[in-house]
Amino acid sequence: EVQLVESGGGLIQPGGSLRLSCAASGFIVSSNYMSWVRQAPGEGLEWVSVIYSGGDTYYADSVKGRFTISRDNSKNTLYLQMNTLRAGDTAVYYCARHRSGEIDYWGQGTLVTVSS
Amino acid sequence: DIQMTQSPSTLSASVGDRVTITCRASQTISDWLAWYQQKPGKAPRLLIYRASSLESGVPSRFSGSGSGTEFTLTISSLQPDDLASYYCQQYKNYPRTFGQGTKVEIK
Repeated sequence: EVQLVESGGGLIQPGGSLRLSCAASGFIVSSNYMSWVRQAPGEGLEWVSVIYSGGDTYYADSVKGRFTISRDNSKNTLYLQMNTLRAGDTAVYYCARHRSGEIDYWGQGTLVTVSS
Repeated sequence: DIQMTQSPSTLSASVGDRVTITCRASQTISDWLAWYQQKPGKAPRLLIYRASSLESGVPSRFSGSGSGTEFTLTISSLQPDDLASYYCQQYKNYPRTFGQGTKVEIK
């Protein structure tokens, strides 16, 4: 059974850093391409970043230069390193697996709150 | 960036009604479109991929159609369990973009 379990969210001050983790089971992270998608409170879904099986990465303009997506194949885990956090980054962050282009599995999400 | 525009933003319908949600892309995306359902407090769930393919396990009352720039999600007979928000997403180009969502309420 495919499972994605995010962790690492919490309350952080503006300008701070946080690393989110997504532990995967039931499939091999490095064999699929994986994304992070976020949802601000009461708002819609926003794609954040993707990492392909070959290691290529893409980012939304809103996070480019501040966020870094990566994975640890030995731990079958996806990460999102978030630096220079802003109030606008406050959201639930979902880890997601792509089957082809579509996302077929989502984690339960982890809440990041950026506030002083 | 490809902009995705959904309509309506909210709709209220009765159990058994046929419901249609529209998604328009700012440029052609062929059939690289997915529909997701998100229930309150939950993660999204894939309903439709490649514009019209029904995801395994999704009730057959859900269907998708369209190509190019105009797409629709139809619920043939609305059920109480369909209370949710629905999002379209294009996956032709980066950045991947979602519609703003349609909230479906039950009368």
